[in-house]
Amino acid sequence: EDQVTQSPEALRLQEGESSSLNCSYTVSGLRGLFWYRQDPGKGPEFLFTLYSAGEEKEKERLKATLTKKESFLHITAPKPEDSATYLCAVQAFGRGSTLGRLYFGRGTQLTVWP
Amino acid sequence: DVKVTQSSRYLVKRTGEKVFLECVQDMDHENMFWYRQDPGLGLRLIYFSYDVKMKEKGDIPEGYSVSREKKERFSLILESASTNQTSMYLCASSPDGKRGYTFGSGTRLTVV
Repeated sequence: EDQVTQSPEALRLQEGESSSLNCSYTVSGLRGLFWYRQDPGKGPEFLFTLYSAGEEKEKERLKATLTKKESFLHITAPKPEDSATYLCAVQAFGRGSTLGRLYFGRGTQLTVWP
Repeated sequence: DVKVTQSSRYLVKRTGEKVFLECVQDMDHENMFWYRQDPGLGLRLIYFSYDVKMKEKGDIPEGYSVSREKKERFSLILESASTNQTSMYLCASSPDGKRGYTFGSGTRLTVV
């Protein structure tokens, strides 16, 4: 069965302390991997899509990378406003693929303190 | 920008009531989805739809039904609300089977 696992579950960083979040996946064929940011009490907000191993995307202090088994979300010199839950999701070929269904991990709750 | 609008941010309902959660998207997306999100369990798919009047069960459809009479609107129905349906409900839409979702802002439902 397809599975998406995110680690760590929670991460506390001091402002300026760079780190990475991990998303490992086991799907029969990856169509795309998606990163979302979710603030408390709100819906997830799209950050990145990655389609093939070796691909990288950047946005401000965030950089997402993809290998054949996992993705990393690197956060460089984070600020308190980067505090949120970061969700990873995969879209697979085959099962439900024509409907674009995403399979989500449980998220990493990031707290950046001043 | 695509907008996905959920009609209520917060709802409080009584056990046994029939509850309607409404979701409207304004970009002619084909696919729409309903998830619930609970601490420690993540997002779980309840139902999805790929066309008007078409629906498919997700992973946890029990106790729920859906309606999609128009392309832009996807309704989630709790036939007889129970306390274990207290949750955050998220609606999402997608233009096709190749791109990701746009989410609504969520409805926090409390069943008492």
